[in-house]
Amino acid sequence: GESVGLHLPTLSVQEGDNSIINCAYSNSASDYFIWYKQESGKGPQFIIDIRSNMDKRQGQRVTVLLNKTVKHLSLQIAATQPGDSAVYFCAEKSGYSTLTFGKGTMLLVSP
Amino acid sequence: GAVVSQHPSWVICKSGTSVKIECRSLDFQATTMFWYRQFPKQSLMLMATSNEGSKATYEQGVEKDKFLINHASLTLSTLTVTSAHPEDSSFYICSAYTSGGSGKAFFGQGTRLTVV
Repeated sequence: GESVGLHLPTLSVQEGDNSIINCAYSNSASDYFIWYKQESGKGPQFIIDIRSNMDKRQGQRVTVLLNKTVKHLSLQIAATQPGDSAVYFCAEKSGYSTLTFGKGTMLLVSP
Repeated sequence: GAVVSQHPSWVICKSGTSVKIECRSLDFQATTMFWYRQFPKQSLMLMATSNEGSKATYEQGVEKDKFLINHASLTLSTLTVTSAHPEDSSFYICSAYTSGGSGKAFFGQGTRLTVV
């Protein structure tokens, strides 16, 4: 995955819009990917995961897409709500290795 | 889902003192727990891997004598910041996996440490 970054990219959307947050990873051996949501002052909260034998997985209002060819992961949030405002991190691991976190994206939802 | 509880959620201490942070897996056993540090607007940086009944594994650049980790049971790991300095002020987060190392990772709520 991406190494720890020093700046958080920001995605600003209007309430009701669909949001797409992207993540690139570098380890082609990674076989498990997770999206986390982190609100200010709190620990990361599990949103959705996907294994490398899948390219799409849907949850409630969220969809994760995995493109192993270009090592790209995305999180789609349908009908974004103000409560979705947070920092979103992708994370990857290979087998029993530790999680590697991406640099994160701040999602700002305005009413 | 699985619950990881971290305590305290915030702490203020004086320079030179030590602070202990607890991380508990409430509804599952965790032979391995992880400690992260997070600076404002940055991602999580893995500090160390805590192994039940054995020594912790520290990431490069993390002082093991400063950040003491004890994993005495399958549900509890502690991180002690010794001789704290203002530069140790940060957000510390623990996590644990379900189903051994290949399961999902769940995180504690984090501890905001401020050293004055």
